[in-house]
Amino acid sequence: AQSVAQPEDQVNVAEGNPLTVKCTYSVSGNPYLFWYVQYPNRGLQFLLKYITGDNLVKGSYGFEAEFNKSQTSFHLKKPSALVSDSALYFCAVAGENSNYQLIWGAGTKLIIKP
Amino acid sequence: EAGVAQSPRYKIIEKRQSVAFWCNPISGHATLYWYQQILGQGPKLLIQFQNNGVVDDSQLPKDRFSAERLKGVDSTLKIQPAKLEDSAVYLCASSFSGGPYEQYFGPGTRLTVT
Repeated sequence: AQSVAQPEDQVNVAEGNPLTVKCTYSVSGNPYLFWYVQYPNRGLQFLLKYITGDNLVKGSYGFEAEFNKSQTSFHLKKPSALVSDSALYFCAVAGENSNYQLIWGAGTKLIIKP
Repeated sequence: EAGVAQSPRYKIIEKRQSVAFWCNPISGHATLYWYQQILGQGPKLLIQFQNNGVVDDSQLPKDRFSAERLKGVDSTLKIQPAKLEDSAVYLCASSFSGGPYEQYFGPGTRLTVT
């Protein structure tokens, strides 16, 4: 069965410091991995995805994520956090054996302190 | 490019009443999804359409929920009768097709059942 784990309910980072939001997954077949961000009272916004190719994927707002097949991880990173990055972040995985339907993590609340 | 439109944004109803939500996807997107998001959780897929056909409705409580996508464009999700546990945000998303494409989300409808 497919699953996604976001082990941290909340991550606190000082502005200007690097940030990492963790995600691990389980899927049969090749994984297709996504990160979305949700600001208060707004819908989910696509940040980036890994389909194939380079393990380091760059996305919107300066975010990037690293695909690690051996550790089945897809951690979200940013070199220098901004207060405006504070939001709820969701990792999702799709498998080709399950009609590419997204399985979502529970979300990680990211708080960037000035 | 216009995004995914949803209405209403907010709805308060009493239990046992009925409610309907409307979604207009991004032009040209063949696949449309309805999700239920309960506070503090990731989205849960209710139903997926490919054009005007249903791909997956395995998690749709069919005794009370129904959805249609006539003409393969707009979609309506209905709940009748509503229960207290239906209080959630209902998200509509669309994607180019049913493969590993990113999904684009509308702002959601926040339903409160009293």
